[in-house]
Amino acid sequence: NAGVTQTPKFRILKIGQSMTLQCAQDMNHNYMYWYRQDPGMGLKLIYYSVGAGITDKGEVPNGYNVSRSTTEDFPLRLELAAPSQTSVYFCASSSLPGTAKMNTEAFFGQGTRLTVV
Amino acid sequence: KQEVTQIPAALSVPEGENLVLNCSFTDSAIYNLQWFRQDPGKGLTSLLLIQSSQREQTSGRLNASLDKSSGRSTLYIAASQPGDSATYLCAVYNQGGKLIFGQGTELSVKP
Repeated sequence: NAGVTQTPKFRILKIGQSMTLQCAQDMNHNYMYWYRQDPGMGLKLIYYSVGAGITDKGEVPNGYNVSRSTTEDFPLRLELAAPSQTSVYFCASSSLPGTAKMNTEAFFGQGTRLTVV
Repeated sequence: KQEVTQIPAALSVPEGENLVLNCSFTDSAIYNLQWFRQDPGKGLTSLLLIQSSQREQTSGRLNASLDKSSGRSTLYIAASQPGDSATYLCAVYNQGGKLIFGQGTELSVKP
């Protein structure tokens, strides 16, 4: 069972470079999320998607973009990387919350550790 | 705007103690609440999920309660062990699909 897969696991970027963090899930979940976690802090929601073709901003969307062309994939794009984007990024997925299904818990990838220098 | 707060930020207890971690949220219109564990440098492990219609969930030495009307949840850990040392995070599903996290409680259980 692959679950939620994030790539790469580690990356060092120079200021001004761009990159895409990949996230894929094989559980046919509608909901997908991107978070960042700074040292000693909780997770801050960057963007989320409630289904293919639908995305929305979270708490800290500036400097990031997302797309959701398929149910399985939810890539996060960083344009013009800045030192403030140094963080650990987590992707998550879940089935529709609030339904009668019992298994609506969120599943997380192992994270991508990004350093911008 | 949903805000999730966890108290205390850090907690140190001797092995064998029972302990309670607190989570509060400002908007009671939630679907679910989920508790996670995170070890240093690692990802998140789901511990318990409470549906909005439920009052509590139990798994082994863990018991989570939910009082949606007052915007509170607690995670009770019985007979704590050094292996329980980790950061514990709560997260709420807003109606609309957002999953919002608290800042976590860092737990240290001393042998």
